[in-house]
Amino acid sequence: DGGITQSPKYLFRKEGQNVTLSCEQNLNHDAMYWYRQDPGQGLRLIYYSQIVNDFQKGDIAEGYSVSREKKESFPLTVTSAQKNPTAFYLCASTNVGARTGELFFGEGSRLTVL
Amino acid sequence: EDQVTQSPEALRLQEGESSSLNCSYTVSGLRGLFWYRQDPGKGPEFLFTLYSAGEEKEKERLKATLTKKESFLHITAPKPEDSATYLCAVLRKDFNKFYFGSGTKLNVKP
Repeated sequence: DGGITQSPKYLFRKEGQNVTLSCEQNLNHDAMYWYRQDPGQGLRLIYYSQIVNDFQKGDIAEGYSVSREKKESFPLTVTSAQKNPTAFYLCASTNVGARTGELFFGEGSRLTVL
Repeated sequence: EDQVTQSPEALRLQEGESSSLNCSYTVSGLRGLFWYRQDPGKGPEFLFTLYSAGEEKEKERLKATLTKKESFLHITAPKPEDSATYLCAVLRKDFNKFYFGSGTKLNVKP
């Protein structure tokens, strides 16, 4: 079945450590996105990529980094520079050329800083 | 400034009590408006896309409508399994960036 796989589902990090969240899709979508979700808030865009080897900062990119070396993969690194990293992280993708244009989401990764 | 506002923040209904959720938006050139359902600890699940004012989409007990400034998600005779957070998002025509509202948390009591 086609879809988006995020791993790990739960992750614990000590302060000062970098962690990387994995996102893989087999939908053959060009565009991929990372969102952060905090309780009572909407989804906030961290980074997005519309093509391999290219990505753009979203609204809250500070303290995060990404890479897009393959079409199907878009990993997110939460660096020690991110002051408040505890949150629910969602990866999404879309087919840019499709009329429908909806985002498809993974199941999310919950990061907790100890 | 592009913006999406959802109301109410939370809604409690009795089973069978119909109601509507609102999503108002301001965006320069709307390509599409999207409704999602999100269960706790899960990723959002796509429900509907609306493209132009006057358009309506239905799925089971849910019906989404669109005007030039807002969208409504009507829930007819809800059941407890409809309890979830409902998210609204808009997509601009000129570039592939989505704007999300903060959601409406729906609780349907038996």
